[in-house]
Amino acid sequence: GAGVSQSPSNKVTEKGKDVELRCDPISGHTALYWYRQSLGQGLEFLIYFQGNSAPDKSGLPSDRFSAERTGGSVSTLTIQRTQQEDSAVYLCASSLALRGAEQYFGPGTRLTVT
Amino acid sequence: QKEVEQDPGPLSVPEGAIVSLNCTYSNSAFQYFMWYRQYSRKGPELLMYTYSSGNKEDGRFTAQVDKSSKYISLFIRDSQPSDSATYLCAMSGRSGGGADGLTFGKGTHLIIQP
Repeated sequence: GAGVSQSPSNKVTEKGKDVELRCDPISGHTALYWYRQSLGQGLEFLIYFQGNSAPDKSGLPSDRFSAERTGGSVSTLTIQRTQQEDSAVYLCASSLALRGAEQYFGPGTRLTVT
Repeated sequence: QKEVEQDPGPLSVPEGAIVSLNCTYSNSAFQYFMWYRQYSRKGPELLMYTYSSGNKEDGRFTAQVDKSSKYISLFIRDSQPSDSATYLCAMSGRSGGGADGLTFGKGTHLIIQP
């Protein structure tokens, strides 16, 4: 079956612009996660959605970051007023509700802020 | 001290060799232990998923968890050039990565020489 899909695969933006990243989880997976992978930093957990429940936003790096999930499926991660330190690969993962440690990742969106 | 320590490598071995990859961790609450393989410019691919201490085998891959030592390993038998990738260990304190997500090591870069 289809895996996790993300778009765009690459995004180059100017400092100060807003960007929106999209994630489409595996069908039937109610849990969705966003991570950020920076060179030398490894994968950093950002936010988690379970179904339509309100997420815990405490893992987001700053208030410029926000995320939403519509209809318990597709999710968007929005970064406002991008900064150069936001340059990274943004990865989305999904899992079944009761097997949340078994996460399946998408290919990621490579964000470059110039 | 970081929660999860993983030697970044690179680790270079000849084709056919047995590869041993390891992670140590400090959080005794971790119960679920995963290994991911990540090719360059791709998303992480789940290889092994284990719960608590013990061994799990899947084809050429064997995962070992020693919770008393807070040490996990991944063994690759009959290594192939196609195994060349970055291997990431990941851990979780509950069946859901949940609001805490997964905690990752920084990854070991493995090179299998033909």
